[in-house]
Amino acid sequence: ETGVTQTPRHLVMGMTNKKSLKCEQHLGHNAMYWYKQSAKKPLELMFVYSLEERVENNSVPSRFSPECPNSSHLFLHLHTLQPEDSALYLCASSPLRTDATIYNEQFFGPGTRLTVL
Amino acid sequence: EDQVTQSPEALRLQEGESSSLNCSYTVSGLRGLFWYRQDPGKGPEFLFTLYSAGEEKEKERLKATLTKKESFLHITAPKPEDSATYLCAASHASGGSYIPTFGRGTSLIVHP
Repeated sequence: ETGVTQTPRHLVMGMTNKKSLKCEQHLGHNAMYWYKQSAKKPLELMFVYSLEERVENNSVPSRFSPECPNSSHLFLHLHTLQPEDSALYLCASSPLRTDATIYNEQFFGPGTRLTVL
Repeated sequence: EDQVTQSPEALRLQEGESSSLNCSYTVSGLRGLFWYRQDPGKGPEFLFTLYSAGEEKEKERLKATLTKKESFLHITAPKPEDSATYLCAASHASGGSYIPTFGRGTSLIVHP
């Protein structure tokens, strides 16, 4: 596998279910991100991890819970979601800048298309 | 509040018909202006990073430019395979992180 992979690619869940999205990057990067992409809306940054530490939590509801066990893996745990949470969830990674701050260009995975019934 | 506005929302071109996409931004302390291409059913693909006004970058038929208020993505003699949604993002510093704000994108269709 190369680049950034995400599983599953499609997920349908009820509002009472608990599920997890998985992201894996094979690029040796140290920063990872979760984004939400809804139709006709800009990409919304949800969470940012740098060196496995969460550095940004963009006012995301607590029904979304991220986990970054190491610099190659990122999870998004989902529980009691709402229909308006249906969207494409994108994972991305980037290297650290030379001054150890993040956000050089990002490399995205193909996304998980989530439908909440 | 940081804002990124892209125009037009949609653009239809004939093959070979050159044009430009616009990205205007209001970001305090710009730390980078990024262009991405997104094909249907796929994640965005990085194209360019611009850091300072006057900077230009080129890749095949694409050329990105930056001023203090906006960026342009010029497409010269486009081909049908250039059809995609083009996303612009502007980043600002937040603590030790640079946080991107994305625009809604421009959907480009190039007809043969």
